[in-house]
Amino acid sequence: EDQVTQSPEALRLQEGESSSLNCSYTVSGLRGLFWYRQDPGKGPEFLFTLYSAGEEKEKERLKATLTKKESFLHITAPKPEDSATYLCAVQAYQGGKLIFGQGTELSVKP
Amino acid sequence: NAGVTQTPKFQVLKTGQSMTLQCAQDMNHNSMYWYRQDPGMGLRLIYYSASEGTTDKGEVPNGYNVSRLNKREFSLRLESAAPSQTSVYFCASSRDREYEQYFGPGTRLTVT
Repeated sequence: EDQVTQSPEALRLQEGESSSLNCSYTVSGLRGLFWYRQDPGKGPEFLFTLYSAGEEKEKERLKATLTKKESFLHITAPKPEDSATYLCAVQAYQGGKLIFGQGTELSVKP
Repeated sequence: NAGVTQTPKFQVLKTGQSMTLQCAQDMNHNSMYWYRQDPGMGLRLIYYSASEGTTDKGEVPNGYNVSRLNKREFSLRLESAAPSQTSVYFCASSRDREYEQYFGPGTRLTVT
C-alpha cells in the first residue's frame, strides 16, 4: 500500500535557525513527489515536484531533495513568514492519485 | 487569472439537508479533483475527473456525487448531509493527471 509519513509533526525554530523536514514514502513505482505549503485557513500552495533520486529543487530559503525512500525539505535561515504547514505527497505510475502525508507544522519565532 | 475558485466559503447544514459545492478553474486544465481535509487524517481524495466527460471515485466517495459540468467547472453534491461530513473541502486542478495540482481556498462545512 502506498504510504507517506512526515516528521516531525511540529517544529519550532528561532529566526535564522536552519533545519530540515522529512517525508518518508513507500510507493510502487514513483512518478513524482510533491511539496506544498499550507497557511491556516487556506488551500495548499504548490512548491516543488521531484521525479528521480538525486534531484534537487530550490526556491528562496527552501531546498527539496529526493532519495529512493525519502525527501527532505531544507529551510535555510528561516523567517517568521516561513511559518506554515508543509505537506508532502507522492504519485505512483499505477493509479496516478496523490497520497498526502499528515504534514509538518513549522513555527518560526523572531 | 483567479486560478481555482470555490463557493461558498462557509456553510452550515442540518443533518439530512442537501447542498452543492461549486468549483471553477481558469487555467485550461484537463483534470479536476475534490478533497476533504480533517484533523489527523490529512487530505483525502473524494472524486476526480481526469478529463471533461469523465469522473472516478477516490478514497472516500460514499455520500457524495460529482458533476463535471464543462472543462472549467466541477461540482460536489451532498445529497443527505451527515455530521461525519463536517470538514474542509478543497477543489484542485492540474494540466493532466501527472502534473502538479493547484488548490482552491476551500469550503468549511459544518453539519449539525
